[in-house]
Amino acid sequence: AQSVTQLDSQVPVFEEAPVELRCNYSSSVSVYLFWYVQYPNQGLQLLLKYLSGSTLVKGINGFEAEFNKSQTSFHLRKPSVHISDTAEYFCAVRRGNRDDKIIFGKGTRLHILP
Amino acid sequence: EPEVTQTPSHQVTQMGQEVILRCVPISNHLYFYWYRQILGQKVEFLVSFYNNEISEKSEIFDDQFSVERPDGSNFTLKIRSTKLEDSAMYFCASSDDRAGGYTFGSGTRLTVV
Repeated sequence: AQSVTQLDSQVPVFEEAPVELRCNYSSSVSVYLFWYVQYPNQGLQLLLKYLSGSTLVKGINGFEAEFNKSQTSFHLRKPSVHISDTAEYFCAVRRGNRDDKIIFGKGTRLHILP
Repeated sequence: EPEVTQTPSHQVTQMGQEVILRCVPISNHLYFYWYRQILGQKVEFLVSFYNNEISEKSEIFDDQFSVERPDGSNFTLKIRSTKLEDSAMYFCASSDDRAGGYTFGSGTRLTVV
């Protein structure tokens, strides 16, 4: 079975500083990878996804992620964060075409410090 | 941009009562899902639905849960006899294929008292 590990439950970072949120997955088959964002008291919004092709994926709000098959990672990055990026970020995985369901990690809360 | 709509946004119910959570998926989507998020915890898969039947369900989705697509536009989750531990945010999602990500609704916060 596939699983997703987000090692950091919380990440504090100063405004305008870069940030990286880490995500590792385990799966014996090819996977599709996603990052979702949840703003306070709101639903889940898709930030970006990796299905195939280029390993560097660009998403909304200036975020990007890089798929690294050898390290089974899909870390999320942003070069300069804004106070409005304060949210919970969830990494998620779906097995190739064999599964309907997306499995989520436990989430990383991003705190933007003024 | 098309949205997944969930109603109500918040529901309070007494333990043992039945609740129905409602969702209107995006109109041309074929795959439908329910997830839940207990406060402060991870988002957990409950069930997926395609072609008018359940395609996969988790261990959480026991006999107390059921889903239905009664009229071609709504997608409902029913909990027959609610327990305190059913208190959570319930998210509906839909997608137009099996490869991409889902579009989630804003969720229904269910509080069982």
